[in-house]
Amino acid sequence: AQTVTQSQPEMSVQEAETVTLSCTYDTSESDYYLFWYKQPPSRQMILVIRQEAYKQQNATENRFSVNFQKAAKSFSLKISDSQLGDAAMYFCAYQSSGDKLTFGTGTRLAVRP
Amino acid sequence: EAGVVQSPRYKIIEKKQPVAFWCNPISGHNTLYWYRQNLGQGPELLIRYENEEAVDDSQLPKDRFSAERLKGVDSTLKIQPAELGDSAVYLCASSLAVRNEQFFGPGTRLTVL
Repeated sequence: AQTVTQSQPEMSVQEAETVTLSCTYDTSESDYYLFWYKQPPSRQMILVIRQEAYKQQNATENRFSVNFQKAAKSFSLKISDSQLGDAAMYFCAYQSSGDKLTFGTGTRLAVRP
Repeated sequence: EAGVVQSPRYKIIEKKQPVAFWCNPISGHNTLYWYRQNLGQGPELLIRYENEEAVDDSQLPKDRFSAERLKGVDSTLKIQPAELGDSAVYLCASSLAVRNEQFFGPGTRLTVL
């Protein structure tokens, strides 16, 4: 079974600084997708960024970028120029060829003004 | 465009009582998901529908949980009877198809006393 591990329960960053959230996963498949989701205190989950495993180029979305290391099964999220609105729970997720989405336990990000 | 709608947002019941949650997905989304999110954890899939067919219900505790998606649009998730351990947030999500982005609703927070 696939597993997703987020080893940082909580992180803190100063406003306008950069922070990196870690995620590792375990799979024997070669075709899969990886995601970072943001869940603000209101609890509505929002997709931040998505990475296809067959693509070597790291995905970027404005201030959000990933470092995808397929061999190491690592998928970290970098948030640049952090803003107060970035404060939330961040979940790393894996979608297999069987299409089930498996989430990690999340990292709570605090942004200090 | 309206997002995924869920009701109620909050529900408090006593154990052994029945409870039902309702979800209306984004118009045109064929795939609908129900997740359970325990406190401090990531969401876990309970059941996935492709139109009106349940294609993955392996994680649904069938002795007390049931779900339906009549006409392939909105869906209802029921628990009967509820147990203390069912206290969680129940999230509904939808997507155009199984490999497309999942859009989440705000969830229903269930408290079983």
